Amino acid sequence: GAVVSQHPSWVICKSGTSVKIECRSLDFQATTMFWYRQFPKQSLMLMATSNEGSKATYEQGVEKDKFLINHASLTLSTLTVTSAHPEDSSFYICSARRTGDSNQPQHFGDGTRLSIL
Amino acid sequence: EDQVTQSPEALRLQEGESSSLNCSYTVSGLRGLFWYRQDPGKGPEFLFTLYSAGEEKEKERLKATLTKKESFLHITAPKPEDSATYLCAVQAPTGFQKLVFGTGTRLLVSP
Repeated sequence: GAVVSQHPSWVICKSGTSVKIECRSLDFQATTMFWYRQFPKQSLMLMATSNEGSKATYEQGVEKDKFLINHASLTLSTLTVTSAHPEDSSFYICSARRTGDSNQPQHFGDGTRLSIL
Repeated sequence: EDQVTQSPEALRLQEGESSSLNCSYTVSGLRGLFWYRQDPGKGPEFLFTLYSAGEEKEKERLKATLTKKESFLHITAPKPEDSATYLCAVQAPTGFQKLVFGTGTRLLVSP
C-alpha cells in the first residue's frame, strides 16, 4: 500500500498561537509532498509543494512567512501556521508522491481540521 | 491555464441505479488524469490513473474512461457505501507535476 499519516487530526487553539502539522509517508519514500487547503464543499487548493532538502514552492497568494514548510527527510514534511487567526481556520491536507516516478499518484493523509478561536 | 470541470455537482441514485460522472479538462500536455474518492472529514483516496485517450480502468463497481477532452467515471449497480465525493484531477506538465482538481461530484446512493 501507500499510507500517509497526518497528525494531529483536529486542533483548536487561541488566536496568535502557532500550530505545527506533520505529514508522514509510512511505507514509502517521498521526495515531494504537497500541502492543500479545503473549504467546506469546495475542492482542494494547492498551497505549496515541499521537496526534501530544499525550499518549498508556494502557490500564488500563499504567504510563505505565514505557512512555514519543512521537509527534512524523505518521509516527513511539516506545515507550521504561524500566529494563526480565525481566518486560518480550515481543513489542511497533505499528500506524498513516491520517489522515482513523477507520474505516480499522490497519496493523501486524512487531513487536519484547524479551528482558531 | 489548466482547468478541470466536473458534472454534475451532486447526484442522487437509488441502489442499483447505474450512472456516470463527467470530468472535462483542458491542459497543455496531459501527464495523467486521476480519480479520487473523498469521504466527509477524510483525505482523498486514490482510485485510478489514466494516461492516454482510449484507456480504461476498472475496480469493483467503478470504471474510468478517458478521451482527449474528458473522462467518465461509470458506476454500475451502486451501493450505499459508494456514497462519497468523487474528485477528478489532471497532472500539469510543469514544475513538480502538481495536480489541478475539479470541484467534485457529491454522490448519494439511497438504499
